[in-house]
Amino acid sequence: AQSVTQLDSQVPVFEEAPVELRCNYSSSVSVYLFWYVQYPNQGLQLLLKYLSGSTLVKGINGFEAEFNKSQTSFHLRKPSVHISDTAEYFCAVGQAGTALIFGKGTTLSVSS
Amino acid sequence: GAGVSQSPRYKVAKRGQDVALRCDPISGHVSLFWYQQALGQGPEFLTYFQNEAQLDKSGLPSDRFFAERPEGSVSTLKIQRTQQEDSAVYLCASSLARGGPYEQYFGPGTRLTVT
Repeated sequence: AQSVTQLDSQVPVFEEAPVELRCNYSSSVSVYLFWYVQYPNQGLQLLLKYLSGSTLVKGINGFEAEFNKSQTSFHLRKPSVHISDTAEYFCAVGQAGTALIFGKGTTLSVSS
Repeated sequence: GAGVSQSPRYKVAKRGQDVALRCDPISGHVSLFWYQQALGQGPEFLTYFQNEAQLDKSGLPSDRFFAERPEGSVSTLKIQRTQQEDSAVYLCASSLARGGPYEQYFGPGTRLTVT
């Protein structure tokens, strides 16, 4: 069985500050890892994904994540956030052709 | 091109009513998933189609939930005799093909409120 734990339910930061949203997963098999963003009253949009290869993955809107197999983590980072980054962020794991298993989400609140 | 669309966007049902939620996937996408997202939670898997075949319905919470995709494109999620605990956002996602780590593209969701 697979599971995802997002360690912070809410992360408040000031504009232009760096941010890290933490994600740990458990799985007995190799999985693919994803970060999605959800703006209010919208569906989920893919930020980035790790499939294989380089453990540092770059995504849209300046986000990046690092896959750490030994720590079973896939933390999301951005060096300088904007007000427009305020949203709900979900970490997810999956295997080929299967449904995704999501964490409970982290609310990122960026203030000026 | 057009993304995944869902209708209605909002649905209010009285307890005991039947509802039908529609999903139009991206044209040519073989795989289709339904998820349920309760308030303040992440999406949870309900069911999965590959073309018209329902390959996994293990996430459906009760036999009041039924999904179909008869022609391998549009899908409908039906909930019979709705209960208050069915209140949630229902998300549909489609992906390009079977197998492979293909990205799932999500629709905007249908927010169901059972009163």
